[in-house]
Amino acid sequence: TQLLEQSPQFLSIQEGENLTVYCNSSSVFSSLQWYRQEPGEGPVLLVTVVTGGEVKKLKRLTFQFGDARKDSSLHITAAQPGDTGLYLCAGVIITNAGKSTFGDGTTLTVKP
Amino acid sequence: GAVVSQHPSRVICKSGTSVKIECRSLDFQATTMFWYRQFPKQSLMLMATSNEGSKATYEQGVEKDKFLINHASLTLSTLTVTSAHPEDSSFYICSARNAVLNEQYFGPGTRLTVT
Repeated sequence: TQLLEQSPQFLSIQEGENLTVYCNSSSVFSSLQWYRQEPGEGPVLLVTVVTGGEVKKLKRLTFQFGDARKDSSLHITAAQPGDTGLYLCAGVIITNAGKSTFGDGTTLTVKP
Repeated sequence: GAVVSQHPSRVICKSGTSVKIECRSLDFQATTMFWYRQFPKQSLMLMATSNEGSKATYEQGVEKDKFLINHASLTLSTLTVTSAHPEDSSFYICSARNAVLNEQYFGPGTRLTVT
Protein backbone atom coordinates (compact mmCIF):
# COMPACT_ATOMS: atom_id res chain seq x y z
CA THR A 1 0.00 0.00 0.00
CA GLN A 2 1.44 3.34 -1.10
CA LEU A 3 1.16 5.62 1.90
CA LEU A 4 1.90 8.80 -0.03
CA GLU A 5 0.56 9.36 -3.53
CA GLN A 6 2.42 11.94 -5.58
CA SER A 7 1.22 13.23 -8.93
CA PRO A 8 1.90 13.73 -11.69
CA GLN A 9 4.82 11.35 -12.10
CA PHE A 10 6.19 13.15 -15.15
CA LEU A 11 5.67 16.71 -16.28
CA SER A 12 7.14 18.45 -19.32
CA ILE A 13 6.32 22.12 -19.83
CA GLN A 14 7.58 25.21 -21.60
CA GLU A 15 9.50 27.96 -19.87
CA GLY A 16 7.13 30.50 -18.34
CA GLU A 17 4.29 28.09 -17.63
CA ASN A 18 2.91 27.35 -14.18
CA LEU A 19 2.59 23.91 -12.62
CA THR A 20 1.36 22.17 -9.50
CA VAL A 21 2.52 18.91 -7.93
CA TYR A 22 0.34 17.09 -5.42
CA CYS A 23 0.96 14.74 -2.52
CA ASN A 24 -1.95 12.95 -0.93
CA SER A 25 -2.39 10.42 1.82
CA SER A 26 -5.10 8.92 3.97
CA SER A 27 -2.78 9.31 6.94
CA VAL A 28 -2.11 12.40 9.01
CA PHE A 29 1.40 13.85 8.92
CA SER A 30 3.18 15.41 11.84
CA SER A 31 5.32 17.22 9.25
CA LEU A 32 5.92 17.12 5.52
CA GLN A 33 8.97 18.03 3.51
CA TRP A 34 9.52 18.85 -0.14
CA TYR A 35 12.85 18.06 -1.78
CA ARG A 36 14.42 18.68 -5.17
CA GLN A 37 16.97 16.26 -6.56
CA GLU A 38 19.24 16.60 -9.56
CA PRO A 39 20.73 13.56 -11.33
CA GLY A 40 23.59 11.99 -9.44
CA GLU A 41 23.05 14.06 -6.32
CA GLY A 42 21.19 13.67 -3.06
CA PRO A 43 17.83 15.36 -2.44
CA VAL A 44 17.98 18.95 -1.22
CA LEU A 45 15.42 20.11 1.31
CA LEU A 46 13.21 22.93 0.01
CA VAL A 47 10.70 23.38 2.81
CA THR A 48 9.08 21.81 5.85
CA VAL A 49 5.41 22.36 6.66
CA VAL A 50 3.99 21.50 10.03
CA THR A 51 0.73 23.33 10.62
CA GLY A 52 -2.53 22.47 8.88
CA GLY A 53 -3.41 25.14 6.31
CA GLU A 54 0.14 26.48 6.30
CA VAL A 55 1.41 28.24 3.18
CA LYS A 56 5.11 28.86 2.58
CA LYS A 57 6.73 30.68 -0.30
CA LEU A 58 10.23 30.28 -1.65
CA LYS A 59 10.69 32.72 -4.51
CA ARG A 60 8.53 31.29 -7.31
CA LEU A 61 7.61 28.17 -5.33
CA THR A 62 4.51 28.07 -3.13
CA PHE A 63 3.93 25.18 -0.74
CA GLN A 64 0.60 24.41 0.89
CA PHE A 65 -0.23 21.98 3.65
CA GLY A 66 -3.81 20.76 3.81
CA ASP A 67 -6.01 21.73 6.72
CA ALA A 68 -6.22 18.10 7.84
CA ARG A 69 -2.46 17.58 7.34
CA LYS A 70 -3.08 14.74 4.91
CA ASP A 71 -2.07 16.44 1.68
CA SER A 72 0.25 19.05 0.28
CA SER A 73 0.95 20.84 -2.96
CA LEU A 74 3.86 22.54 -4.63
CA HIS A 75 3.09 25.29 -7.12
CA ILE A 76 5.76 26.77 -9.36
CA THR A 77 5.06 30.04 -11.10
CA ALA A 78 6.73 30.95 -14.39
CA ALA A 79 8.88 27.83 -14.51
CA GLN A 80 12.45 28.12 -15.73
CA PRO A 81 14.81 25.50 -17.18
CA GLY A 82 16.74 25.62 -13.91
CA ASP A 83 13.67 24.20 -12.14
CA THR A 84 14.17 20.92 -13.99
CA GLY A 85 14.64 18.01 -11.61
CA LEU A 86 12.99 15.34 -9.51
CA TYR A 87 10.66 16.73 -6.84
CA LEU A 88 9.94 14.55 -3.85
CA CYS A 89 7.51 14.94 -1.03
CA ALA A 90 8.14 13.13 2.22
CA GLY A 91 5.98 13.01 5.27
CA VAL A 92 6.42 11.85 8.82
CA ILE A 93 3.26 9.93 9.56
CA ILE A 94 2.30 10.11 13.19
CA THR A 95 1.91 6.33 13.58
CA ASN A 96 5.01 5.39 11.55
CA ALA A 97 7.68 5.49 14.26
CA GLY A 98 9.04 8.80 13.06
CA LYS A 99 10.21 7.49 9.68
CA SER A 100 9.71 9.58 6.60
CA THR A 101 7.60 8.14 3.82
CA PHE A 102 8.40 9.31 0.31
CA GLY A 103 6.13 9.85 -2.63
CA ASP A 104 7.15 8.35 -5.96
CA GLY A 105 8.48 11.70 -7.14
CA THR A 106 7.65 14.04 -9.98
CA THR A 107 10.17 14.40 -12.78
CA LEU A 108 9.86 17.94 -14.08
CA THR A 109 11.35 19.07 -17.37
CA VAL A 110 11.16 22.73 -18.29
CA LYS A 111 12.00 23.39 -21.92
CA PRO A 112 13.50 26.73 -22.94
CA GLY B 1 22.15 24.82 6.99
CA ALA B 2 22.69 21.24 8.01
CA VAL B 3 25.23 19.29 6.02
CA VAL B 4 25.55 15.57 5.60
CA SER B 5 28.54 14.11 3.82
CA GLN B 6 28.97 10.74 2.19
CA HIS B 7 32.13 8.94 1.16
CA PRO B 8 32.99 7.73 -1.37
CA SER B 9 30.90 9.48 -3.99
CA ARG B 10 31.62 6.78 -6.55
CA VAL B 11 33.00 3.29 -6.21
CA ILE B 12 33.58 0.47 -8.65
CA CYS B 13 34.26 -2.95 -7.25
CA LYS B 14 34.49 -6.51 -8.43
CA SER B 15 31.81 -9.06 -7.76
CA GLY B 16 32.35 -10.82 -4.43
CA THR B 17 34.13 -7.98 -2.68
CA SER B 18 32.76 -5.78 0.09
CA VAL B 19 32.32 -2.03 0.01
CA LYS B 20 31.92 0.38 2.93
CA ILE B 21 30.08 3.69 2.59
CA GLU B 22 30.34 6.37 5.27
CA CYS B 23 27.69 8.92 6.20
CA ARG B 24 28.52 11.84 8.47
CA SER B 25 26.41 14.62 9.89
CA LEU B 26 28.72 17.62 10.03
CA ASP B 27 26.94 20.21 12.15
CA PHE B 28 24.43 18.40 14.30
CA GLN B 29 24.25 15.17 16.25
CA ALA B 30 22.06 12.52 14.69
CA THR B 31 20.83 9.69 16.85
CA THR B 32 19.00 8.39 13.81
CA MET B 33 20.27 8.05 10.28
CA PHE B 34 18.61 6.38 7.33
CA TRP B 35 19.96 4.46 4.36
CA TYR B 36 18.16 4.56 1.04
CA ARG B 37 18.61 3.00 -2.34
CA GLN B 38 17.51 4.74 -5.50
CA PHE B 39 17.11 3.43 -9.03
CA PRO B 40 17.18 5.78 -12.04
CA LYS B 41 14.26 8.19 -12.18
CA GLN B 42 12.63 6.58 -9.19
CA SER B 43 12.01 7.68 -5.66
CA LEU B 44 14.02 6.65 -2.64
CA MET B 45 13.55 3.22 -1.15
CA LEU B 46 14.25 3.03 2.56
CA MET B 47 16.59 0.15 3.35
CA ALA B 48 17.18 0.57 7.06
CA THR B 49 17.12 2.91 10.02
CA SER B 50 20.43 3.32 11.78
CA ASN B 51 20.21 4.00 15.50
CA GLU B 52 23.23 5.23 17.46
CA GLY B 53 24.39 2.65 19.94
CA SER B 54 21.93 -0.04 18.94
CA LYS B 55 21.12 -2.39 16.11
CA ALA B 56 19.76 -1.07 12.86
CA THR B 57 16.16 -1.67 11.91
CA TYR B 58 15.82 -3.14 8.42
CA GLU B 59 12.88 -2.78 6.09
CA GLN B 60 11.09 -5.83 4.85
CA GLY B 61 13.01 -7.59 2.09
CA VAL B 62 16.39 -6.06 2.94
CA GLU B 63 19.00 -8.62 3.97
CA LYS B 64 20.67 -7.49 7.16
CA ASP B 65 23.63 -9.84 6.68
CA LYS B 66 24.29 -8.40 3.25
CA PHE B 67 23.88 -4.74 4.14
CA LEU B 68 25.72 -4.26 7.42
CA ILE B 69 25.01 -1.01 9.23
CA ASN B 70 27.01 0.43 12.08
CA HIS B 71 26.15 3.67 13.89
CA ALA B 72 29.04 3.97 16.32
CA SER B 73 28.77 7.67 17.06
CA LEU B 74 26.28 10.51 16.89
CA THR B 75 27.81 11.76 13.67
CA LEU B 76 28.78 8.64 11.75
CA SER B 77 26.91 5.71 10.25
CA THR B 78 28.41 3.19 7.84
CA LEU B 79 26.82 0.84 5.34
CA THR B 80 28.85 -2.16 4.19
CA VAL B 81 27.66 -4.04 1.15
CA THR B 82 29.08 -7.52 1.62
CA SER B 83 29.88 -9.93 -1.20
CA ALA B 84 28.61 -7.43 -3.73
CA HIS B 85 26.99 -8.60 -6.94
CA PRO B 86 26.11 -6.66 -10.11
CA GLU B 87 22.48 -6.41 -8.99
CA ASP B 88 23.67 -4.38 -5.99
CA SER B 89 24.78 -1.64 -8.35
CA SER B 90 22.74 1.42 -7.45
CA PHE B 91 22.75 4.90 -5.98
CA TYR B 92 22.91 4.71 -2.19
CA ILE B 93 21.88 7.76 -0.18
CA CYS B 94 22.02 8.35 3.54
CA SER B 95 20.18 10.92 5.58
CA ALA B 96 20.45 12.21 9.10
CA ARG B 97 17.51 13.29 11.21
CA ASN B 98 17.65 16.52 13.12
CA ALA B 99 15.34 15.60 15.98
CA VAL B 100 14.99 19.20 17.14
CA LEU B 101 13.72 20.45 13.77
CA ASN B 102 12.10 17.12 12.83
CA GLU B 103 13.78 17.31 9.44
CA GLN B 104 15.95 15.00 7.38
CA TYR B 105 19.04 16.13 5.54
CA PHE B 106 20.49 13.99 2.82
CA GLY B 107 24.01 13.15 1.82
CA PRO B 108 25.13 13.59 -1.80
CA GLY B 109 24.86 9.87 -2.49
CA THR B 110 27.26 7.09 -3.48
CA ARG B 111 27.17 5.53 -6.92
CA LEU B 112 28.11 1.85 -6.56
CA THR B 113 28.98 -0.17 -9.65
CA VAL B 114 29.73 -3.85 -9.24
CA THR B 115 31.45 -5.47 -12.21
